[in-house]
Amino acid sequence: EVQLVESGGDLVQPGRSLRLSCVVSGFTFDDFAMHWVRQAPGKGLEWVSGITYNSGTRGYAESVKGRFTTSRDNARNSLYLQMNSLRVEDTALYYCVKDIGQWLDGLQEWGQGTLVTVSS
Amino acid sequence: DIQMTQSPSSLSASVGDRVTITCRASQSISTFLHWYQQKPGKAPKLLIYAASSLQSGVPSRFSGSGSGTDFTLTISNLQPEDFATYYCQQSYSFPYTFGQGTKLEIK
Repeated sequence: EVQLVESGGDLVQPGRSLRLSCVVSGFTFDDFAMHWVRQAPGKGLEWVSGITYNSGTRGYAESVKGRFTTSRDNARNSLYLQMNSLRVEDTALYYCVKDIGQWLDGLQEWGQGTLVTVSS
Repeated sequence: DIQMTQSPSSLSASVGDRVTITCRASQSISTFLHWYQQKPGKAPKLLIYAASSLQSGVPSRFSGSGSGTDFTLTISNLQPEDFATYYCQQSYSFPYTFGQGTKLEIK
């Protein structure tokens, strides 16, 4: 059974940093690209970032480019999202998502999300 | 950025109906288009990938079509569990983008 478990969400002040983690099981992690997708309360889905199976390519939404960094540790079956200079508008539920394949494409399996709240 | 526009934004239908949701891209995306279903309080679920391929385990009443800029998701013989919000998403180029969602409600 595929499992993706996010952690690291918290209440933080604007301008601070936070690191999200996602530990996966039930599939060969280093065979698949991975993504972060967020959903603000009561709003739609927003793709945040993606990383290929070998970390060779990473992509970011314009709204987070230069502030957020996605990385992965294939030896630890883990995906990370380093979030710096957080803004109130970054408040959302952040999902860790497994891709269909090695290259960034469709979003096949989703975690349950971790909540990030940015507020003073 | 590629803009994805879904229509309608909301839709009322009855059990047994056939419904169609459309998704239009602001530029050609070939078939790099996927459809998701989300129920309240739950994570989204992949239904259709690459415009028309049915994800494993998804009922065959769901189907997708289209290429270029215009795509459709069709649900035949609506079931009670199909009432949810549906999103399209493009993976043609960064940044990947979603449509605004279509909320399917019971009439």
